[in-house]
Amino acid sequence: GQQVMQIPQYQHVQEGEDFTTYCNSSTTLSNIQWYKQRPGGHPVFLIQLVKSGEVKKQKRLTFQFGEAKKNSSLHITATQTTDVGTYFCAGQMDSGGSNYKLTFGKGTLLTVNP
Amino acid sequence: ETGVTQTPRHLVMGMTNKKSLKCEQHLGHNAMYWYKQSAKKPLELMFVYNFKEQTENNSVPSRFSPECPNSSHLFLHLHTLQPEDSALYLCASSQGQGLMSDTGELFFGEGSRLTVL
Repeated sequence: GQQVMQIPQYQHVQEGEDFTTYCNSSTTLSNIQWYKQRPGGHPVFLIQLVKSGEVKKQKRLTFQFGEAKKNSSLHITATQTTDVGTYFCAGQMDSGGSNYKLTFGKGTLLTVNP
Repeated sequence: ETGVTQTPRHLVMGMTNKKSLKCEQHLGHNAMYWYKQSAKKPLELMFVYNFKEQTENNSVPSRFSPECPNSSHLFLHLHTLQPEDSALYLCASSQGQGLMSDTGELFFGEGSRLTVL
């Protein structure tokens, strides 16, 4: 079936180090969204990318959408303990019959050592 | 504070019980969703409702029965569940219609943690 692969599954960093998580889809995406879920919490929307090659920044977070609209990345510069959580990508893809399902990756769990 | 409210937050039930999960969104959105979140698995879409009409049943077993009486309320009725159904059940809403090429962001509730004994 159609999947969105996300790596790495886990990442542990020292506070101040950078962090990157990657998403890949076998299918061209109409858009990709990123969510953050704190431990014990629920997913919270971060951003949506729509255009090929799009780059968006939110303070220390940089989001990229690949030229082919099949991959995306989230980069955090100088991590802080408040960045701890699981980061999910979710790609919107044609699942047939003009339906576009939002398919989530498994997520990357980020832990930060103070 | 989330604009999507789920109750109960925690539920323990036996395999022969019947229970229901409730979701209410206060955002005026047109689409509502049920997702299942299990350990080490991606979020799994279960059901999608647009304007209170079901538009997707993602091959979910019949022991899960959704109900959407209006565009603000969504229920998930549970009966004769199995232990492997234990998971966090998340309700979400979006302004854009579900299954369109751009639904817009999903607003999730805090989830109902279900344990089936």
